[in-house]
Amino acid sequence: GENVEQHPSTLSVQEGDSAVIKCTYSDSASNYFPWYKQELGKRPQLIIDIRSNVGEKKDQRIAVTLNKTAKHFSLHITETQPEDSAVYFCAASTPNTDKLIFGTGTRLQVFP
Amino acid sequence: GAGVSQSPRYKVAKRGQDVALRCDPISGHVSLFWYQQALGQGPEFLTYFQNEAQLDKSGLPSDRFFAERPEGSVSTLKIQRTQQEDSAVYLCASSFTVTSGGAKEQFFGPGTRLTVL
Repeated sequence: GENVEQHPSTLSVQEGDSAVIKCTYSDSASNYFPWYKQELGKRPQLIIDIRSNVGEKKDQRIAVTLNKTAKHFSLHITETQPEDSAVYFCAASTPNTDKLIFGTGTRLQVFP
Repeated sequence: GAGVSQSPRYKVAKRGQDVALRCDPISGHVSLFWYQQALGQGPEFLTYFQNEAQLDKSGLPSDRFFAERPEGSVSTLKIQRTQQEDSAVYLCASSFTVTSGGAKEQFFGPGTRLTVL
């Protein structure tokens, strides 16, 4: 079955700097890759997603890139702000099932 | 409109007790998922419904776990004879529909934090 690995497990940046989180997946059939933000004690919330027919997607300060050949995808946050501090999860899904396989999460801390 | 809701938000059970966790998906959402999130980990898939049909239960860790969605809306996850290793946050998610070509955004509920003593 699908396996998703995520790095780094923790990331500390200064406010205004960029943050990059990387994930790799094992199943070449996977075609949907969402990113969720989870604040302490709260529900995961979708921040951006990408499908396998697209190489890059951007939404304001957030962008995701996908390399199907290498089977990895990355989250890029520019001009980080303290309110970006949270745990970020990547996930992957294959066409024959909608279940999400999640990475282990990255704890992002943005220092003012 | 209202998002996905879950109840109870917190549940403390003694080892060996049965528990029932409820999920109210977003109205009209066809697909419903249950995930288990251990402390400091990512959510792990348990089971998936499309309307009332349970299409995938491959993630249920043992036969003590049972889920149902009899009328295609509200779902209940039941855990029998709870064990300490069942302690986790149980998340429910729903999405509008399943279409060919890829999954749709899953909206998560706030979760039920289960503590088994």
